[in-house]
Amino acid sequence: DTGVSQDPRHKITKRGQNVTFRCDPISEHNRLYWYRQTLGQGPEFLTYFQNEAQLEKSRLLSDRFSAERPKGSFSTLEIQRTEQGDSAMYLCASSLLSSYNEQFFGPGTRLTVL
Amino acid sequence: GNSVTQMEGPVTLSEEAFLTINCTYTATGYPSLFWYVQYPGEGLQLLLKATKADDKGSNKGFEATYRKETTSFHLEKGSVQVSDSAVYFCALSDQRGAQKLVFGQGTRLTINP
Repeated sequence: DTGVSQDPRHKITKRGQNVTFRCDPISEHNRLYWYRQTLGQGPEFLTYFQNEAQLEKSRLLSDRFSAERPKGSFSTLEIQRTEQGDSAMYLCASSLLSSYNEQFFGPGTRLTVL
Repeated sequence: GNSVTQMEGPVTLSEEAFLTINCTYTATGYPSLFWYVQYPGEGLQLLLKATKADDKGSNKGFEATYRKETTSFHLEKGSVQVSDSAVYFCALSDQRGAQKLVFGQGTRLTINP
């Protein structure tokens, strides 16, 4: 399968714990995006990488959130000291640098904070 | 900033009915416009796109035309099937910079046999 993959698919954690999600993009894609989707809403942009450089972060991304893409391939999103409001689906997408920017999405990681 | 407004759902239709899901947008410049679909238990998939005014995107019998004068990108299908039941998202992105997607809230479509 050459699509975008995310791990884990589901994560249940207690408030205050740290969690880390992984995204593996389509191999030749140099752009990688993280989005968050809450129930009944469309996805909202969190952050974006071009190769290994993190070029933009949303105001939604508080200090408790950090994302990396160390070698310009896979990416991780870490949430420290989780809160119940962090419960959501976290989506990763990748694309090639182009004017049309067709983004391909992974299946998402569903986070539940108890 | 950029925003997308979609027709509120849920929408329930009978098989072979005509479908329209309205989408309007607010953007600076000339964005690209997209419709994404999320089938039950699956990830978001690109359904169709249009990158300039008057372009028509089409796929799987669905169509949408980029209307700059009305800032709209309505999704249409002439005859829906049960397998079209899904959540549909309208989205836009700038054609420069981060090109991040801005989504509408989604419209849940159910087709009854």
